[in-house]
Order: sequence, then C-alpha cells, then structure tokens
Amino acid sequence: DVKVTQSSRYLVKRTGEKVFLECVQDMDHENMFWYRQDPGLGLRLIYFSYDVKMKEKGDIPEGYSVSREKKERFSLILESASTNQTSMYLCASSRGHQGNEKLFFGSGTQLSVL
Amino acid sequence: AQSVAQPEDQVNVAEGNPLTVKCTYSVSGNPYLFWYVQYPNRGLQFLLKYITGDNLVKGSYGFEAEFNKSQTSFHLKKPSALVSDSALYFCAVRDMTGANNLFFGTGTRLTVIP
Repeated sequence: DVKVTQSSRYLVKRTGEKVFLECVQDMDHENMFWYRQDPGLGLRLIYFSYDVKMKEKGDIPEGYSVSREKKERFSLILESASTNQTSMYLCASSRGHQGNEKLFFGSGTQLSVL
Repeated sequence: AQSVAQPEDQVNVAEGNPLTVKCTYSVSGNPYLFWYVQYPNRGLQFLLKYITGDNLVKGSYGFEAEFNKSQTSFHLKKPSALVSDSALYFCAVRDMTGANNLFFGTGTRLTVIP
C-alpha cells in the first residue's frame, strides 16, 4: 500500500515563527498536494506539485510556500505563522496526470499557532 | 468554476438501515467524481470514483454511488449501515478539461446508531 507520512501529528508554534511541515510518500508518485481542513469548510487546496521543483498555487496559497527538491518529499512552509493558520494540514499524493487518479492521504498534522 | 455541495452537515441512521449521503456538483465540463471517508484522527481514505460508463459505481466497504448527470448529483449509498461506518464523508469533483485540482465539499458526518 502507498504510504504518505507526515512528520508530526501535533505541532504547537508561536505567532511569527517559521514553520515547516514535512511530507514523504513511498510510491514514486508524480503529484503531491497540501490541503488544510477546517470544520465547516472542508478541505481547501493550498499548493500542489506535478514534478520535482514544480509548484502550483491552489485556492488559498497566501501565507504559505512549498518546496519539492526530491520527488518523494513535499514541504509546506509557513513563513511567519499566524493564529488564523491554526488548522489540520493534510498531505496527499497521486500518480500520473490523467486527472482521474485517487489521492492517498497522510494522517494529518494538527497545527496550533498561539 | 467547479464546486461541490453536501447539503447535510450531519446524517443519523439506525444500524441495519440503508444510508444515503448527498452530493451535488457543478463543473464546466464532464466530471470526475470521488468519495472519501475520514475516520477519527485519520487522514482521508478513498472509497470510490466515477470516471465514465456505468452510472452506478461500487466501492470499498459495501458503499456505492449513483451518478446522475441531469441532477448533477453523486449520492453515496449503502444498503445496510454498520456502526463502524460512522465517520466524516467528503465528496470531491474534478473537471476533466480543467486543471488537476480536486475540489472537496464541506463534509457530512455520518452517525450510525446501534
């Protein structure tokens, strides 16, 4: 089975800190995604990547950046964390570029910004 | 623009009864449609998808969904609910002709009452 691993299950940070969320997948998938999940809002796409060193903005990229230096790893960066970035962050991956592939999700990182 | 509506935040059903979780969508072209399930403290898991062909799609754990193009709906169904089906369910849509973004609904919490 595909495994998508997020480095931290829970994270507590202070306002203004730089935060790194790491995600690794082990199935050589081309595509990787970062979503945030908030009650009543569902999942919203922050950034995604189709290939190494490629990145595309999703629906809510403001306040975030990403890095994909290796195919298996996709990092989400909060340059200066703010309280409104308190959320559950979900990483996902998929293979190919047909558009009909399913996503494989990590277990999520619950980030609290104080 | 694409969108997904899950009109019910919460669905309660008695164990053994049939269940339905509703989803309607809006895309500019033909859709790819997905259902995902999230168990407590877990990431999302793929249940089933519609790409083309037969309007009735069968998926994991005895779930199925019916694609209705005229009503732009993709309701999730199961003939006999189990307590273990209690979870958060997300419908998602991707436009076949658009970018490779999967757009999620806000989720429906299903509670199966013993």
